[in-house]
Amino acid sequence: AQSVTQLGSHVSVSEGALVLLRCNYSSSVPPYLFWYVQYPNQGLQLLLKYTSAATLVKGINGFEAEFKKSETSFHLTKPSAHMSDAAEYFCAVSVAGGGNKLTFGTGTQLKVEL
Amino acid sequence: KAGVTQTPRYLIKTRGQQVTLSCSPISGHRSVSWYQQTPGQGLQFLFEYFSETQRNKGNFPGRFSGRQFSNSRSEMNVSTLELGDSALYLCASSPQPGQVGVETQYFGPGTRLLVL
Repeated sequence: AQSVTQLGSHVSVSEGALVLLRCNYSSSVPPYLFWYVQYPNQGLQLLLKYTSAATLVKGINGFEAEFKKSETSFHLTKPSAHMSDAAEYFCAVSVAGGGNKLTFGTGTQLKVEL
Repeated sequence: KAGVTQTPRYLIKTRGQQVTLSCSPISGHRSVSWYQQTPGQGLQFLFEYFSETQRNKGNFPGRFSGRQFSNSRSEMNVSTLELGDSALYLCASSPQPGQVGVETQYFGPGTRLLVL
C-alpha cells in the first residue's frame, strides 16, 4: 500500500519569502504524485502532478515540485510567497492499476504574514 | 465548462437518519470518486464509479454506499447516521477511470454534513 507523509502541519512564511512544503511518499511501485490546494469552504484544486515524464514539475500560480526517488520526496516550492497563497496544501499519491484512488497526506496549513 | 457540482452544500441530520448526497461531474467526464474529509482522519477515499459500476472502494462500513447513473451523475448514501459521520464529503470527476495511469481529478466544493 502507498502512503504520504507531510512534515509540518502548519508553516508560516513572510510575504515574498520562499515557500517550502514537504512531502515524502511510500510506494512499492512507481508512484503518481499530486499537490492540491484547498481554500476555506472550498474543494480541492490541483496545483501540479508527477506522472514520470519529468522530475521537475511546474504547476499553477508559480508553484513547482521536484520528484526525488532516492529521497522518496516530492516537496512543493514557490520562490516568493503571496498573501493569496494562504491555504491548506495536500500531497497525494496513487499508482497505476489503482484506478483514480488518491491517498492523501494530512495537509499543511500555510500562513503568509506581512 | 461548468465544474463539478454537489448538492446540497450544507446538511444537518440527526443520528439514525439517512442522507443522500448528489454529484454532477464535469460534462464529458465519466469517472466519479467520493472522499470524506474530517479534522481527525483527514481525506479518505470512499469509492469510485465508472459506467455505473463501482470500480474501487475504500475502507468504510457498509452504511456508506453509492451509485452512478447513465448520465454519469452520482449519489452517495449514508444510512443510520452516526455523530462521526459529520464531515465534508467531496466528489471528484475525471474523464476516464485511470486504467493505465491516474487521471487528473477535479473536485467539487463539497457537501458539509453535520450529524446531531
